[in-house]
Amino acid sequence: DTEVTQTPKHLVMGMTNKKSLKCEQHMGHRAMYWYKQKAKKPPELMFVYSYEKLSINESVPSRFSPECPNSSLLNLHLHALQPEDSALYLCASSLQFVPGNPGELFFGEGSRLTVL
Amino acid sequence: QKEVEQDPGPLSVPEGAIVSLNCTYSNSAFQYFMWYRQYSRKGPELLMYTYSSGNKEDGRFTAQVDKSSKYISLFIRDSQPSDSATYLCAMSGSARQLTFGSGTQLTVLP
Repeated sequence: DTEVTQTPKHLVMGMTNKKSLKCEQHMGHRAMYWYKQKAKKPPELMFVYSYEKLSINESVPSRFSPECPNSSLLNLHLHALQPEDSALYLCASSLQFVPGNPGELFFGEGSRLTVL
Repeated sequence: QKEVEQDPGPLSVPEGAIVSLNCTYSNSAFQYFMWYRQYSRKGPELLMYTYSSGNKEDGRFTAQVDKSSKYISLFIRDSQPSDSATYLCAMSGSARQLTFGSGTQLTVLP
């Protein structure tokens, strides 16, 4: 099983809503990532978890709150988002997190978020 | 100046053509160089992974890295319509996280 599964595939929410994105992998990977990708732009790193601990937060606004309940699961909690937060949110995993040497990242298909 | 520059295209070629995709970069700390392929509405998938300078071949794909010129390339031989996608270069090194190029949109026409 070399899949990273993300749910939901599509999400529409208002600026006052609270919602969550979920990500799951069963490859035994110990590093998990959240990326944000706007249309026709490259992915931008948001968070990195290594061994279930937050290793990197790329100065992401607090309206995005990551959570890693166990080594297979990664959540992104969303609250009071802005329309400019509309994007494709990609989850990825890798065997380990080694700063500067990412190894192979396995990406999910993404959750397409629209904020009204 | 961006750390990684990539021509966004779009690039259209006939089936069977040799495709050349390129990126330049400015940070000499980069040591690991990757090419990802991203189909429309899908996540990126790793195509090639190279360390330092040199060539690497995998089937129809060849990756080249020239660190002295800060220039990397991906060649696709005998291109197929199924190769139509956006190709992202990415690089990292010296504790720097993965930095992506902006992507080149490729269409291979049957």
